[in-house]
Amino acid sequence: DTEVTQTPKHLVMGMTNKKSLKCEQHMGHRAMYWYKQKAKKPPELMFVYSYEKLSINESVPSRFSPECPNSSLLNLHLHALQPEDSALYLCASSQAGDRAVGEQYFGPGTRLTVT
Amino acid sequence: GQNIDQPTEMTATEGAIVQINCTYQTSGFNGLFWYQQHAGEAPTFLSYNVLDGLEEKGRFSSFLSRSKGYSYLLLKELQMKDSASYLCAVTFMDSNYQLIWGAGTKLIIKP
Repeated sequence: DTEVTQTPKHLVMGMTNKKSLKCEQHMGHRAMYWYKQKAKKPPELMFVYSYEKLSINESVPSRFSPECPNSSLLNLHLHALQPEDSALYLCASSQAGDRAVGEQYFGPGTRLTVT
Repeated sequence: GQNIDQPTEMTATEGAIVQINCTYQTSGFNGLFWYQQHAGEAPTFLSYNVLDGLEEKGRFSSFLSRSKGYSYLLLKELQMKDSASYLCAVTFMDSNYQLIWGAGTKLIIKP
């Protein structure tokens, strides 16, 4: 199984809503990532979990809150977002370890619109 | 900073060959990766280079010169479905080995 799944595919939320994005992989990968991607731009790293521990937080605003309940699951909790947070949110996974982190497998993404 | 440079857009003809170049700063280099991304979809991993030379995978090949800070992705026998963005990404020892992405090259294939 080389698939990373993400739900939901699309999400429209108001600025006062609370919602969560979910990601799951069953490849035995111990590193998982959240990226944000705007149109015609490369993915922008938000968070990295390595062995279920948060290892990198790229100065992301606190309205984004990641969670890694176990080695297969990754969540991103959203609260009080701004319209500029509208983007494609991508989850990815890889083997852990210095040389392995570059070969990442991405989920299809969640297209988020904040109104 | 660690700039990854690649052309913004390229056009090629179906059945032809195209080469997409990528340059990066050599200091602290760890590995170089190419990804393909179709419009509205997620990136998919294409290739990984850590040593100098050419890595071939079917119609796609990737080359690396570590001393020059240079890589290229070579696509042969182009098909219409190869129309996509191609992203060069590099891991560096001083960036926690996380991917540093180029802006991507949009490849347009014409019949």
